[in-house]
Amino acid sequence: QQQVKQSPQSLIVQKGGISIINCAYENTAFDYFPWYQQFPGKGPALLIAIRPDVSEKKEGRFTISFNKSAKQFSLHIMDSQPGDSATYFCAASPNTDKLIFGTGTRLQVFP
Amino acid sequence: EPEVTQTPSHQVTQMGQEVILRCVPISNHLYFYWYRQILGQKVEFLVSFYNNEISEKSEIFDDQFSVERPDGSNFTLKIRSTKLEDSAMYFCASSRQSNSPLHFGNGTRLTVT
Repeated sequence: QQQVKQSPQSLIVQKGGISIINCAYENTAFDYFPWYQQFPGKGPALLIAIRPDVSEKKEGRFTISFNKSAKQFSLHIMDSQPGDSATYFCAASPNTDKLIFGTGTRLQVFP
Repeated sequence: EPEVTQTPSHQVTQMGQEVILRCVPISNHLYFYWYRQILGQKVEFLVSFYNNEISEKSEIFDDQFSVERPDGSNFTLKIRSTKLEDSAMYFCASSRQSNSPLHFGNGTRLTVT
């Protein structure tokens, strides 16, 4: 119930391509779904977040798609760049405080 | 941009020893958290702290753990008697108010030998 399942575990994309990372949850009480980006040796940094009252949110090259009925959400990175190479975590929570993180996706973008 | 600061960046300790991990949250933030990340695994919630008391804790946060805000700026996590399995990256986070985004520090890598 408290888990957030994330896939794939790792992802290799060519520069300019689209990176897609998927997450699924069980707990219908979750109503806050952030994505965090983590570079080696750094803490997670909030990238973009969505609440279930909208099905999509876009910020620059990053888009969250949210499917409430399927209890799934995904991160799309358009025009992926080598600088996007990092580990991405989805998370979910009934509030913004106690985040339940997914297992992470290591993204590598090759020139 | 203000940031959450954690010290030390790396702490090595022997099993059974006490450690204190320190954090300076963003100055106008009122909610404070500790999360941990065992190498290669996901980030896990430990505890949240507001108004000088614990507001929520996970099952990981047993009697060996405690948190304190000893003054107006620091927020500490103490592990009383460390075990090998406490080896992890510990992240402090803060938020301005309830239901606002968390800002994470760069973490303290704790190695228990």
